[in-house]
Amino acid sequence: DAGVTQSPTHLIKTRGQQVTLRCSPKSGHDTVSWYQQALGQEPQFIFQYYEEEERQRGNFPDRFSGHQFPNYSSELNVNALLLGDSALYLCASSFGVSGELFFGEGSRLTVL
Amino acid sequence: DAKTTQPTSMDCAEGRAANLPCNHSTISGNEYVYWYRQIHSQGPQYIIHGLKNNETNEMASLIITEDRKSSTLILPHATLRDTAVYYCIVRNTGGFKTIFGAGTRLFVKA
Repeated sequence: DAGVTQSPTHLIKTRGQQVTLRCSPKSGHDTVSWYQQALGQEPQFIFQYYEEEERQRGNFPDRFSGHQFPNYSSELNVNALLLGDSALYLCASSFGVSGELFFGEGSRLTVL
Repeated sequence: DAKTTQPTSMDCAEGRAANLPCNHSTISGNEYVYWYRQIHSQGPQYIIHGLKNNETNEMASLIITEDRKSSTLILPHATLRDTAVYYCIVRNTGGFKTIFGAGTRLFVKA
């Protein structure tokens, strides 16, 4: 039973570029949440997707957007990258919006 | 969602019990207490959760005070691999967003 898988594991971008990160939820899960974790900090909630809609959103600008597909997988898009967007981006899946969260290993983004 | 307060760091000797406290004095009746841990550079790992009764699983025990304003995560026999940041989170049954606090950095020493 595959857990939460994220891709890519590492990537480097330059300021102003755009990035897309991908997440496949754990088998049987239908809800995906995204978190940003800066070095040495706790994870910060970005948003949650359920039934292909954004259900809740944290304090992140519109440069951060997402999508959920019919197979429950999800993408996180960040436009106009800033140096401060460098972080580990974590995807967590659950069964329903209140189910236990299972996290992937993250995608580490470096913005130069 | 209610906020939590945890010690910044703790030490524990290998083989001894690690007791990690958490204060959540503003917890509401429909909010659960969850514990996750994060080993360096990995994704957070679910440990245990509870509402008001004490809980135990293969990883840990969770003791919640009768007034539910605080809880303690117990790792009965800590190993070096338990060195991690431990997050205590309160989350309502609607559970839309799980908010992490700063967590406790546990160092298990030989």
